[in-house]
Amino acid sequence: AQRVTQPEKLLSVFKGAPVELKCNYSYSGSPELFWYVQYSRQRLQLLLRHISRESIKGFTADLNKGETSFHLKKPFAQEEDSAMYYCALETHKLVFGAGTILRVKS
Amino acid sequence: EAGVAQSPRYKIIEKRQSVAFWCNPISGHATLYWYQQILGQGPKLLIQFQNNGVVDDSQLPKDRFSAERLKGVDSTLKIQPAKLEDSAVYLCASSLGGVSNEQFFGPGTRLTVL
Repeated sequence: AQRVTQPEKLLSVFKGAPVELKCNYSYSGSPELFWYVQYSRQRLQLLLRHISRESIKGFTADLNKGETSFHLKKPFAQEEDSAMYYCALETHKLVFGAGTILRVKS
Repeated sequence: EAGVAQSPRYKIIEKRQSVAFWCNPISGHATLYWYQQILGQGPKLLIQFQNNGVVDDSQLPKDRFSAERLKGVDSTLKIQPAKLEDSAVYLCASSLGGVSNEQFFGPGTRLTVL
């Protein structure tokens, strides 16, 4: 069965520190993976998708098929990055992980 | 452009009562999704429409949940009768095409079943 695991419920870092939000997936096919973000009092929105290979708001994510991972990284965290982050796997539908709250402290 | 609209934003009902949620997708978006998000979990797809046809309703509890998308635009999701475990945020999303396209989410309806 397709599954997305985000092992950390909460990640707390200081401003300027590196950030890595972990995501592991279980899927036998060729995966397409996404990161969605929800800022406080805002809607869930797409942050990035692996197929586009973009850097959005300084975030990048690399698909590692060997480790079945799609970790989200940013070299220097900013306070405005504080939000809930969801990793999602596309099969014939989107399967979401449980999410990780990122708190960036000043 | 206007985003996905949902109403009501909040609803409190007692178990065994009925409730309905409404969603208006972004104009021109052919695909509409209803998700259930229980506290502490990620969104779970309940049903996906392509225009006014159902693409996937495999996780919709059909004994109590129903959804329709008349004329391929607005959609309603109904629960009848509600159970305590239906307490959740119900999210509507839409996209231009299928799942590979970016999904745009509405603000959600927070349902509390007492």
